[in-house]
Amino acid sequence: GENVEQHPSTLSVQEGDSAVIKCTYSDSASNYFPWYKQELGKGPQLIIDIRSNVGEKKDQRIAVTLNKTAKHFSLHITETQPEDSAVYFCAGGNTGTASKLTFGTGTRLQVTL
Amino acid sequence: DTAVSQTPKYLVTQMGNDKSIKCEQNLGHDTMYWYKQDSKKFLKIMFSYNNKELIINETVPNRFSPKSPDKAHLNLHINSLELGDSAVYFCASSQDLNYNEQFFGPGTRLTVL
Repeated sequence: GENVEQHPSTLSVQEGDSAVIKCTYSDSASNYFPWYKQELGKGPQLIIDIRSNVGEKKDQRIAVTLNKTAKHFSLHITETQPEDSAVYFCAGGNTGTASKLTFGTGTRLQVTL
Repeated sequence: DTAVSQTPKYLVTQMGNDKSIKCEQNLGHDTMYWYKQDSKKFLKIMFSYNNKELIINETVPNRFSPKSPDKAHLNLHINSLELGDSAVYFCASSQDLNYNEQFFGPGTRLTVL
């Protein structure tokens, strides 16, 4: 089955700086890679996703890149703000396996003033 | 106007008891999921249902039995609770099996004493 590794486990940046979180996956058949943000006491919420036919996707301050050959994808947050502080999860899955997503172990991002 | 709701939010119980967690989504989605998040924040899928039909059963002990009376509801019943069942359980839904965004509920924190 799919195995998704995520690094770093914790990340502290100053407000205004950029943050990068990296994930690798093992199953070359995976073709869907979402990123979720989980705030304290809440459920995860999708912030951006990318499919394997696309190398990069951007939504305002958030961007995701995918390297299919190397089987890794990254989340980039620019101009970080205190409200970006949360736990971020990457995930991978294959539309051929009945909607199963395998999640990474999470990155706790702390944006300091 | 809550999209995915779960009850109860907190559940504290003794070992050996039987308990249920209820989940409802008002998004008109076909697919629903149960995830378990342990103390290290690791998020793992347990079950998924599509139009009331079980799709994924991710080697979960038989003590866990999901029930989907209709496609808007997916309940989780747990028999003979064990200490290791303590976790936060999240319900989620998506439009269908093709990896549309998964919407998560607020979670149920289960504590087994």
